[in-house]
Amino acid sequence: DTEVTQTPKHLVMGMTNKKSLKCEQHMGHRAMYWYKQKAKKPPELMFVYSYEKLSINESVPSRFSPECPNSSLLNLHLHALQPEDSALYLCASSHPHGWSGSSYEQYFGPGTRLTVT
Amino acid sequence: EDKVVQSPLSLVVHEGDTVTLNCSYEVTNFRSLLWYKQEKKAPTFLFMLTSSGIEKKSGRLSSILDKKELFSILNITATQTGDSAVYLCAARGGGAQKLVFGQGTRLTINP
Repeated sequence: DTEVTQTPKHLVMGMTNKKSLKCEQHMGHRAMYWYKQKAKKPPELMFVYSYEKLSINESVPSRFSPECPNSSLLNLHLHALQPEDSALYLCASSHPHGWSGSSYEQYFGPGTRLTVT
Repeated sequence: EDKVVQSPLSLVVHEGDTVTLNCSYEVTNFRSLLWYKQEKKAPTFLFMLTSSGIEKKSGRLSSILDKKELFSILNITATQTGDSAVYLCAARGGGAQKLVFGQGTRLTINP
């Protein structure tokens, strides 16, 4: 099973709303990622969790707040977003750095298409 | 700064043609290079390359890495309309979980 699931598929929110994006994987991966992808651009890394601890924050504004409640789940809490935050938000997972095997490829979920009005 | 550059950015060919997509990289402590195919939603994993000169194949797709010249190519033979997608190349450096993505090559296969 190489599936990463994300909910919701689509989300429209106002600039004063609070919402959350959810991601789940059952591949036993201990590294999970949030990416933001604008139209016709490659994914841009936002956050990396390794063994449920935040290991990379790519200088993301505080209106995005990640959370990793356990090894299978990753959330992205959204508050006071701007229209320019509208994008496809992708979650991915992989074996973490330092894992004894050789497969570090990241598997992506289908994404949440976010529109901020 | 780590960088991945893909070429061409866009390619239109006829069904049955063979295409070669290019990816060059400059990544500190390079560990591996990955190719993904992205249609409407999530990128789907194609290949991960870690060693020079060893071709990886999956059906009509194949890829090879040259760690001396810092590039990789993705070949698709006997293209089909279902191959139309954006192909993303990404490089992974050591000591971090980051993938550095190229801009992608948008491939269109016309019937």
